[in-house]
Amino acid sequence: KAGVTQTPRYLIKTRGQQVTLSCSPISGHRSVSWYQQTPGQGLQFLFEYFSETQRNKGNFPGRFSGRQFSNSRSEMNVSTLELGDSALYLCASSSKTGTRSGELFFGEGSRLTVL
Amino acid sequence: QQQVKQSPQSLIVQKGGISIINCAYENTAFDYFPWYQQFPGKGPALLIAIRPDVSEKKEGRFTISFNKSAKQFSLHIMDSQPGDSATYFCAASTLFSGGYNKLIFGAGTRLAVHP
Repeated sequence: KAGVTQTPRYLIKTRGQQVTLSCSPISGHRSVSWYQQTPGQGLQFLFEYFSETQRNKGNFPGRFSGRQFSNSRSEMNVSTLELGDSALYLCASSSKTGTRSGELFFGEGSRLTVL
Repeated sequence: QQQVKQSPQSLIVQKGGISIINCAYENTAFDYFPWYQQFPGKGPALLIAIRPDVSEKKEGRFTISFNKSAKQFSLHIMDSQPGDSATYFCAASTLFSGGYNKLIFGAGTRLAVHP
């Protein structure tokens, strides 16, 4: 069974630009969560999508947004990039959501560098 | 109150020794406590998880000890091996803060097991 696939793996942007990251969950998983990982702040929850609906959102500004498609694939977008947005963005899929906890399967991440 | 405090930040253990990582939390609503293992260049992977209705859970060489009254939980790695060298994250979640897929992570512990 293929794991969680994230693209691109590495990208470099300049301040003010926007970026779109893509995530393909494990087949059959309908929940996709996004996390930001930085040396200073660690792993922080961005948002979760289930059946094309955003279920939860973390404490990030509105510049961070996401969506999920009918095939459960998800994208996240960061607009007006700032230097502090440089991070590893991790996508995780799960077969369960809400009241039922499930193992989160993480991808290898997309490493964003903002210059 | 949403924080999970993890210690130590780094840990060096000899092969065959016991590695112990501790976490503490404040939010008494947390009721799901997973541990994730992350190797360089990879996403985190679930190692073991516990709910507060049990005080200990063991899977192979990995054991979670849970102290509900002290609001603390710890990971013990018995017979530590060089292949266990990785960064370990404790986490917590609750249905009431957005569901179990919204994990609050500790800052991480970098474990090095020397041969």
